[in-house]
Amino acid sequence: GAVVSQHPSWVICKSGTSVKIECRSLDFQATTMFWYRQFPKQSLMLMATSNEGSKATYEQGVEKDKFLINHASLTLSTLTVTSAHPEDSSFYICSARDPRDYVYEQYFGPGTRLTVT
Amino acid sequence: GQQVMQIPQYQHVQEGEDFTTYCNSSTTLSNIQWYKQRPGGHPVFLIQLVKSGEVKKQKRLTFQFGEAKKNSSLHITATQTTDVGTYFCAVQGSNDYKLSFGAGTTVTVRA
Repeated sequence: GAVVSQHPSWVICKSGTSVKIECRSLDFQATTMFWYRQFPKQSLMLMATSNEGSKATYEQGVEKDKFLINHASLTLSTLTVTSAHPEDSSFYICSARDPRDYVYEQYFGPGTRLTVT
Repeated sequence: GQQVMQIPQYQHVQEGEDFTTYCNSSTTLSNIQWYKQRPGGHPVFLIQLVKSGEVKKQKRLTFQFGEAKKNSSLHITATQTTDVGTYFCAVQGSNDYKLSFGAGTTVTVRA
């Protein structure tokens, strides 16, 4: 199956700083990628849809000025957590669907664990 | 997106026993997907069901989609330690491919 990578796998930052997370589709082109956040022992919550060449669409309650998404190419989407605070500490996961697939499977990256101190 | 309720939240299973996790909705679902997330890992796609009454099997895993397309189940037989993890059901948007996840069933196995 298709492969999605994320970088970094974990990051610790100080409160008030910004952190950028990269999501790459390695062997397919993804016009659309999705960003999720998962708190411990909870489900995945969709944050936003990243669209190549256009603005991301955010889910209700997600601050677009705080979580900046850029989808600059067909294989790369980035999520920047700006002015991070301890409550932003979470597991951030991206996913993408290979448009060549008949089945609408989504491929998830390995996730980025963010800790804000 | 469409909302799905998943039960139970936790399932403690004796190795070798069977168990079932359920996913329910108050509305008709266009599809249902199942994912498995190992501890510390990311979700991995297991199956997609789209037809009323559909049943699919993968070795010891049996997936069902209800006749009314409002519920789905995952049944695992002869549980093994490799089955440890959280199983999520999810509904994918027909036009936007957004996934709405259930709360998940976290499975632990007693050897």
